[in-house]
Amino acid sequence: QQQVKQSPQSLIVQKGGISIINCAYENTAFDYFPWYQQFPGKGPALLIAIRPDVSEKKEGRFTISFNKSAKQFSLHIMDSQPGDSATYFCAARGGSGYALNFGKGTSLLVTP
Amino acid sequence: NAGVTQTPKFQVLKTGQSMTLQCAQDMNHNSMYWYRQDPGMGLRLIYYSASEGTTDKGEVPNGYNVSRLNKREFSLRLESAAPSQTSVYFCASSESGYEQYFGPGTRLTVT
Repeated sequence: QQQVKQSPQSLIVQKGGISIINCAYENTAFDYFPWYQQFPGKGPALLIAIRPDVSEKKEGRFTISFNKSAKQFSLHIMDSQPGDSATYFCAARGGSGYALNFGKGTSLLVTP
Repeated sequence: NAGVTQTPKFQVLKTGQSMTLQCAQDMNHNSMYWYRQDPGMGLRLIYYSASEGTTDKGEVPNGYNVSRLNKREFSLRLESAAPSQTSVYFCASSESGYEQYFGPGTRLTVT
């Protein structure tokens, strides 16, 4: 079953706006929560990641908010730009070989 | 430093044919992974290799086999391709299972 649930499936944001993507998980053994960015025809690339002992991590315009008690985490993209248009995947590390469990992805379109 | 490389980039197979997808990494990582990506499904783990000489099944291993040839290389084999295996295949590597680095993918169509 899907171990990481991601929403929304798609998102349209105006340039300069804030993009917010949410993920939820059930397995409390997960110990690392990355976000990947994928452009068409390319492989996923690590964008930002957080561990569960931290509630927030910021790198430039990208911020992860982590709520351990609610088992939820989210990606905020501030001042969204057309170049941010891509598919974003949340993931959680745990289980077999410490492989990543991915959400189904969010297709983000930032309009000019 | 090429990171993770995959060959071929594209492949079309007929049902029942076999092929091997190749993956190599030059980061001296211990762990390597094979995922498949289907529309609306995210990435799903097929097989992984936690270290040289070991391999294990992931979420969707049926119809696939793998070989960890050495520390650098991890191949994925389809013995008898089926249309349900039409997908984009990604190889990834990691030192500790935290930061995983992905290759550019192989786009496979089975007719």
